Amino acid sequence: GENVEQHPSTLSVQEGDSAVIKCTYSDSASNYFPWYKQELGKGPQLIIDIRSNVGEKKDQRIAVTLNKTAKHFSLHITETQPEDSAVYFCAASISGNQFYFGTGTSLTVIP
Amino acid sequence: GAVVSQHPSWVICKSGTSVKIECRSLDFQATTMFWYRQFPKQSLMLMATSNEGSKATYEQGVEKDKFLINHASLTLSTLTVTSAHPEDSSFYICSAARQGTEAFFGQGTRLTVV
Repeated sequence: GENVEQHPSTLSVQEGDSAVIKCTYSDSASNYFPWYKQELGKGPQLIIDIRSNVGEKKDQRIAVTLNKTAKHFSLHITETQPEDSAVYFCAASISGNQFYFGTGTSLTVIP
Repeated sequence: GAVVSQHPSWVICKSGTSVKIECRSLDFQATTMFWYRQFPKQSLMLMATSNEGSKATYEQGVEKDKFLINHASLTLSTLTVTSAHPEDSSFYICSAARQGTEAFFGQGTRLTVV
């Protein structure tokens, strides 16, 4: 089955700096890669996603890049704010069926 | 985005009893629903995938007789933890997906078995 690895497990940045989280996947059939933000005691919330026919996608301060050849994708958050502090999960999926998650990154934005 | 409602948000039960968790897609029909389990400070582990009207597909290592999943309609799936024990205490999260699109997550259910 699919194996998704995520790094780093924890990340601390100063407010205003950028944060980058990286994931790799193993199944070349995966074609949908969402990123989720999870706050304590809550379910994950979709923040951005990318499909395999696209190399990059941006939504305001958040961007995701995908390298199909290398089987890795990354989340970039620019101009970080304290409210960005949360746990972020990447996931890989085949056409929106089973989602396999990375191990999560705990992001702390220091005011 | 689409809304997925999970109920209850938290539940405490005695060891040996059964607990049912509901997952509803409020504004769309979910062809597929997923159930995950999450331990503190860990990632979401897929337990099972269910399609409306058919039996759930369980991931390896998940006891299907202990975690009963029913997907009776396109808007409702239930997870029943049977004969719960303290080691079943966890955060259970469902998600619902329309065919071939992103999945939306419920808010999760915190189960504590005492």
